[in-house]
Amino acid sequence: GESVGLHLPTLSVQEGDNSIINCAYSNSASDYFIWYKQESGKGPQFIIDIRSNMDKRQGQRVTVLLNKTVKHLSLQIAATQPGDSAVYFCAEKVIGGSARQLTFGSGTQLTVLP
Amino acid sequence: EPEVTQTPSHQVTQMGQEVILRCVPISNHLYFYWYRQILGQKVEFLVSFYNNEISEKSEIFDDQFSVERPDGSNFTLKIRSTKLEDSAMYFCASSEYSSGTGSPLHFGNGTRLTVT
Repeated sequence: GESVGLHLPTLSVQEGDNSIINCAYSNSASDYFIWYKQESGKGPQFIIDIRSNMDKRQGQRVTVLLNKTVKHLSLQIAATQPGDSAVYFCAEKVIGGSARQLTFGSGTQLTVLP
Repeated sequence: EPEVTQTPSHQVTQMGQEVILRCVPISNHLYFYWYRQILGQKVEFLVSFYNNEISEKSEIFDDQFSVERPDGSNFTLKIRSTKLEDSAMYFCASSEYSSGTGSPLHFGNGTRLTVT
């Protein structure tokens, strides 16, 4: 899950296994959610987004699940590869709201073990 | 795939000096943003820019900060008199449509600013 501060939650998975990264969002009015991947020394890279009228959305090797009842978002990565090692964080906002209202989580450090 | 590019990748400056961070957004994008990320912390919004003017800014974006689109491709962030607490990664981002429509932001790789 997400936490505030210097210590990121960590997740270690074996190469080839599936990864599940969780995010608890704060604003029940949020209706647009994005997952970003941030490799060391690089900027956030867009992975996948989902709107609140959907519960699930699939991309290439990734699936995002949204549970609005408990304000929970998850990112599933299938067949995790070494290149997937990075910090993953979710972002939330209300569609129609301003850019300032896009709120980022602090992230989860995913480490893929050989 | 088109990308946002930022220069320099690392900038070291002395307290009180002016710095200009440069960004080239994705060419067909119309909305531009600056964010910063202090080491180990969340990404924070600084400013959004559209149609050659600031759309919105955060409390962080005080009078020491300014943005400019000097030509058709560059987007700059200027800090007039840097402070130690300005040390952070600064990310430029752009989007094709307004973030209000749910258009995702595309980020550059950032400029690491170190103020000594």
